[in-house]
Amino acid sequence: DTGVSQNPRHKITKRGQNVTFRCDPISEHNRLYWYRQTLGQGPEFLTYFQNEAQLEKSRLLSDRFSAERPKGSFSTLEIQRTEQGDSAMYLCASSLALGAGANVLTFGAGSRLTVL
Amino acid sequence: QKEVEQDPGPLSVPEGAIVSLNCTYSNSAFQYFMWYRQYSRKGPELLMYTYSSGNKEDGRFTAQVDKSSKYISLFIRDSQPSDSATYLCAMLQGGSEKLVFGKGTKLTVNP
Repeated sequence: DTGVSQNPRHKITKRGQNVTFRCDPISEHNRLYWYRQTLGQGPEFLTYFQNEAQLEKSRLLSDRFSAERPKGSFSTLEIQRTEQGDSAMYLCASSLALGAGANVLTFGAGSRLTVL
Repeated sequence: QKEVEQDPGPLSVPEGAIVSLNCTYSNSAFQYFMWYRQYSRKGPELLMYTYSSGNKEDGRFTAQVDKSSKYISLFIRDSQPSDSATYLCAMLQGGSEKLVFGKGTKLTVNP
């Protein structure tokens, strides 16, 4: 297991279409995070899972966005009825929560979405 | 006002220079402070991680946190062309999983 894997790396779609991104975390990691990064900005938190439970969602995650982690392993992020403003890099990260203190996140290379 | 402010640069230095990167923040509840490095078309990778105020050194990199001033810094000594990347500061409140990032500073180290 060499790291966090994200697919596809780049998706070009037309406005109004649905897209789905997949993230395969490091296998022993129990926490999984989704962030969004637009050009010239730092990543912004979207949501995170501990095992299969989605524990926190950002206000950025509108009702067109849904994330799942069905068996506590891989995760999907679906965007319905895409808008041009959804164009961004979608970053997945994972970590192993061991208790108190901050977790060290390992990020994937990201899935870039371009909405035409 | 954004929670974390970071000058986006760009910053261009000659090889061997000392680089200073900085962030300020407004949320006094932040307890964990990190620096990530992001190469083009890659995800961020953790460089340094500091809890509360103080200094931390790792090879050519030194991270400083001054909670009284709400100011953090990353110093890179003897900078190398391979250090050319975007450097992102990130912060976390205790008990939260939501990392708050700065905009990132794009650094170019010229040979």
